[in-house]
Amino acid sequence: NAGVTQTPKFQVLKTGQSMTLQCAQDMNHEYMSWYRQDPGMGLRLIHYSVGAGITDQGEVPNGYNVSRSTTEDFPLRLLSAAPSQTSVYFCASSYTRTYGGGYTFGSGTRLTVV
Amino acid sequence: GQQVMQIPQYQHVQEGEDFTTYCNSSTTLSNIQWYKQRPGGHPVFLIQLVKSGEVKKQKRLTFQFGEAKKNSSLHITATQTTDVGTYFCAGLSYGGSQGNLIFGKGTKLSVKP
Repeated sequence: NAGVTQTPKFQVLKTGQSMTLQCAQDMNHEYMSWYRQDPGMGLRLIHYSVGAGITDQGEVPNGYNVSRSTTEDFPLRLLSAAPSQTSVYFCASSYTRTYGGGYTFGSGTRLTVV
Repeated sequence: GQQVMQIPQYQHVQEGEDFTTYCNSSTTLSNIQWYKQRPGGHPVFLIQLVKSGEVKKQKRLTFQFGEAKKNSSLHITATQTTDVGTYFCAGLSYGGSQGNLIFGKGTKLSVKP
């Protein structure tokens, strides 16, 4: 049971480039979400999905797109990378948004935009 | 919108001392969760509190949910070096954040052996 798998673990992008951060879970979780973590800022919600075909914006969605074509996968797309998007990105999943057993986080993607 | 404030931001303790981190929400929460993130790692779920005034214990960790369901605390008794990391509270409200978990900024705990 792999849990939540994020790829890549590290990435360096040039300003203006685009890329997709991959997230996959094998726990049959309906709820998936993307957070970014910056020093002193905690975890901020970018986008989330309550099931296949359903996505919505979180607290800091600008510059990011998501899609949820299957229950297992929830990729995060950076449309045109900016230095302000340098951060650590975590994907998290759960049976439901309010599941009492908490969210399972992936190991993260450390992104640097130069 | 909903905010979850967490204090202190940093705490340095001697091994064996106690540690407490506090979490306050601007809105009433339906529940609150606590996570631990080891240095270089990812957040790991510790516990969820749902009921007003609820107290739960996990070995040396004691979690409390306030009577008004707007504040919570995590207390660690007799810290050990394995307790090092950042502790996050995360509140779930059905108010202005569409019912998603809102994380506090965390309390970073360092333990001197």
